[in-house]
Amino acid sequence: QLVLTQSPSASASLGASVKLTCTLSSGHNSYAIAWHQQQPEKGPRYLMKVNSDGSHIKGDGIPDRFSGSSSRAERYLTISSLQSEDEADYYCQTWGSGIQVFGGGTKLTVL
Amino acid sequence: EVQLLESEGGLVQPGGSLRLSCAASGFTFSSFAMSWVRQAPGKGLEWVSAISSSGSTTYYAGPVQGRFTISRDSSKNTLYLQMNSLRADDTAVYYCAKGEARNADAYSDYWGQGTLVTVSS
Repeated sequence: QLVLTQSPSASASLGASVKLTCTLSSGHNSYAIAWHQQQPEKGPRYLMKVNSDGSHIKGDGIPDRFSGSSSRAERYLTISSLQSEDEADYYCQTWGSGIQVFGGGTKLTVL
Repeated sequence: EVQLLESEGGLVQPGGSLRLSCAASGFTFSSFAMSWVRQAPGKGLEWVSAISSSGSTTYYAGPVQGRFTISRDSSKNTLYLQMNSLRADDTAVYYCAKGEARNADAYSDYWGQGTLVTVSS
């Protein structure tokens, strides 16, 4: 079964960096994922697609502070030089065989 | 600029029906798959349904299979979601999302602002 697992929460200080993790279920190490940001009271925004080899394709206007990487079943979103507007929920998404799956989301708090 | 504008949702009684629409602009609508994703109050994102660019292929999440129907009209650049036999647990903000490819098996690269559907007596 295709499942994505995310930590419910993360926090980091203003100006620091944070690395969020999305873990694919067993047997799905080759799957790509997409990261989406949802700021409070807003609709989601596509950030980037991260492939199993760590390459990534960013959405329009996504700052260089956002980057993606991979290791085995894990897909990462790294945000550097954290700003207050980065405080949001972050979701990973994957797809295949006629279904799409979202992780439970990580709520990022910028201290 | 890609824009996705969902129609107004509303309050529906359990067992009732509602059709959502999503007006798309800023891209060649007929070349991309589209999806509906929902978010129950205080919860995470849940994929609902997807349709290929041609409309020939549709997919549904288990909880809505047999009750919801996704469709599209490329002459109107509009995506639809017909929701029947609505239940309380269908209460959510419903988002329209653009796929990144023609294939319905794809991730979303643009999102609408969402519309609230409340199922309650």
